[in-house]
Amino acid sequence: DAGITQSPRHKVTETGTPVTLRCHQTENHRYMYWYRQDPGHGLRLIHYSYGVKDTDKGEVSDGYSVSRSKTEDFLLTLESATSSQTSVYFCAIGPGVVYEQYFGPGTRLTVT
Amino acid sequence: GESVGLHLPTLSVQEGDNSIINCAYSNSASDYFIWYKQESGKGPQFIIDIRSNMDKRQGQRVTVLLNKTVKHLSLQIAATQPGDSAVYFCAENGSSNTGKLIFGQGTTLQVKP
Repeated sequence: DAGITQSPRHKVTETGTPVTLRCHQTENHRYMYWYRQDPGHGLRLIHYSYGVKDTDKGEVSDGYSVSRSKTEDFLLTLESATSSQTSVYFCAIGPGVVYEQYFGPGTRLTVT
Repeated sequence: GESVGLHLPTLSVQEGDNSIINCAYSNSASDYFIWYKQESGKGPQFIIDIRSNMDKRQGQRVTVLLNKTVKHLSLQIAATQPGDSAVYFCAENGSSNTGKLIFGQGTTLQVKP
């Protein structure tokens, strides 16, 4: 998975609790992305980062925040999890704006 | 809005045959396209990409064709093997210059032994 790890790989949490997912890369790529994948919707971009402390919203950013304090780590936080955020979350990395993205193994999150 | 779509949700082929997976894109400003393969329980895996200044690009057993006139992208897999069974996604960069990708819904490729 191109030097990308995600943690945790599986998580079950209750509605209203905060959740943080971590993406760690060893490729020193500048760009990092968080996607969610749901049946019938494909992969949708939540947030992305184009450098340390530089982030921007994707198409489904409501209810999510991100932080990137180091090149290698990109955190996705659900401030107050809802059942609609049950999904599989993928982190991706890339070297530039018009280049391929490499995906991590994913985190399966269930909000009960 | 921007969209990337696929003509067929499921493609079933015999082992050893060639497979062709199609994709239509709507944004004429897109100048970069990627094909991904996703096996069950795993993250998408990069297969091959192509830029708009090319019509064709070949990799190992795969070829991507780009027809900008009709905004169509295809992935050809030669001598399809059981290990090729997966969901295949195309993606485009749209009109932004931020690295964002727009993904299609995916086509399931089933390889019959």
